[in-house]
Amino acid sequence: DTAVSQTPKYLVTQMGNDKSIKCEQNLGHDTMYWYKQDSKKFLKIMFSYNNKELIINETVPNRFSPKSPDKAHLNLHINSLELGDSAVYFCASSHRLDRGPSYEQYFGPGTRLTVT
Amino acid sequence: EDQVTQSPEALRLQEGESSSLNCSYTVSGLRGLFWYRQDPGKGPEFLFTLYSAGEEKEKERLKATLTKKESFLHITAPKPEDSATYLCAVQAETGANNLFFGTGTRLTVIP
Repeated sequence: DTAVSQTPKYLVTQMGNDKSIKCEQNLGHDTMYWYKQDSKKFLKIMFSYNNKELIINETVPNRFSPKSPDKAHLNLHINSLELGDSAVYFCASSHRLDRGPSYEQYFGPGTRLTVT
Repeated sequence: EDQVTQSPEALRLQEGESSSLNCSYTVSGLRGLFWYRQDPGKGPEFLFTLYSAGEEKEKERLKATLTKKESFLHITAPKPEDSATYLCAVQAETGANNLFFGTGTRLTVIP
């Protein structure tokens, strides 16, 4: 059973388009995240979200928006795609912070986005 | 500002040649330090969480240790299947639940 899944695996699109990446977790976690991994393999948080709170990294353009239809899903919508958005995007999930000292995050397989 | 520095950037070992990877960190109150393994084209795979200085955790050929300023990932008698990028991440006491990652050490184990 896949714990955290993402679709699509690869996404190639043109500048200016709007696209979405889907994420689902079956671990019963209540917090989900989106990370961006650039060409130098540096992983950087974009959003963290539970049903009470959305925390946005201040460096993320407002063209990026997370949408959560329920606790097990957190989709990433990107408007007006730019060349610099090309990267690998990872979804992750964990238990909520206030349930313990710290909880590891489990990552999906990633979506490689290429903007041409 | 939270900072994580991993060294070396890349490491090539002969099979069976033990070594250590370093993760130096600066964080405003450490809630946890995490080690992940990432294979090409895949998501990071969780290995260990360390919470306080002096703590150690082991899994097969890997052992992670923590001090107040750095963490080491010791690899004993590595095998080719240990080849991967090893990522270190910290979680601060304040702020959100997110992880702050280093840039990783790319390990290659040669048969």
